[in-house]
Amino acid sequence: ELKVEQNPLFLSMQEGKNYTIYCNYSTTSDRLYWYRQDPGKSLESLFVLLSNGAVKQEGRLMASLDTKARLSTLHITAAVHDLSATYFCAGRNYGGSQGNLIFGKGTKLSVKP
Amino acid sequence: EAQVTQNPRYLITVTGKKLTVTCSQNMNHEYMSWYRQDPGLGLRQIYYSMNVEVTDKGDVPEGYKVSRKEKRNFPLILESPSPNQTSLYFCASSGGGPDTQYFGPGTRLTVL
Repeated sequence: ELKVEQNPLFLSMQEGKNYTIYCNYSTTSDRLYWYRQDPGKSLESLFVLLSNGAVKQEGRLMASLDTKARLSTLHITAAVHDLSATYFCAGRNYGGSQGNLIFGKGTKLSVKP
Repeated sequence: EAQVTQNPRYLITVTGKKLTVTCSQNMNHEYMSWYRQDPGLGLRQIYYSMNVEVTDKGDVPEGYKVSRKEKRNFPLILESPSPNQTSLYFCASSGGGPDTQYFGPGTRLTVL
């Protein structure tokens, strides 16, 4: 059964700094998802990573996938306060039912001036 | 406007009183899903539907029922709610599988 682990769970950053959130998963997952949740709000889909070596970027966020290492990363470049949110990764059970998603516990990011 | 709506947004009820949380989307999406969010546990999938009349269990289906009679609606039914179902519930939809999901605003349920 697929398990998804994120770290760190809490991250306090200074504006302008770079950092990376890690998402490890336990068994084969044929795709990896990243989501953002602002405090008190719903979730927003950020990235869908479909294959080994996939890289997606939007603004200061860049996500990548290494299926051999069973690792996805979300890299934050030159953080700004607006990026403060909780970020979740999720994997899809490969070979299982196509709609079953397993989420990590989330990384709560706080960007301070 | 493309959206996923949930009703009610807030609900306080008592143990054992049947309730339904509605979810509707106007994007003609095939895939719909229900999640619950609890502090420290992240999101967990309850049920999902790949299309009309096709539903399947997620990770925490116990105590919940769903149906998908029309493409736009995917209600979540709690036949006999218990306090451990107190949670924040999200419905989501996407076209052709769980990629790029659109989430509803959430329903905060308290079971006393």
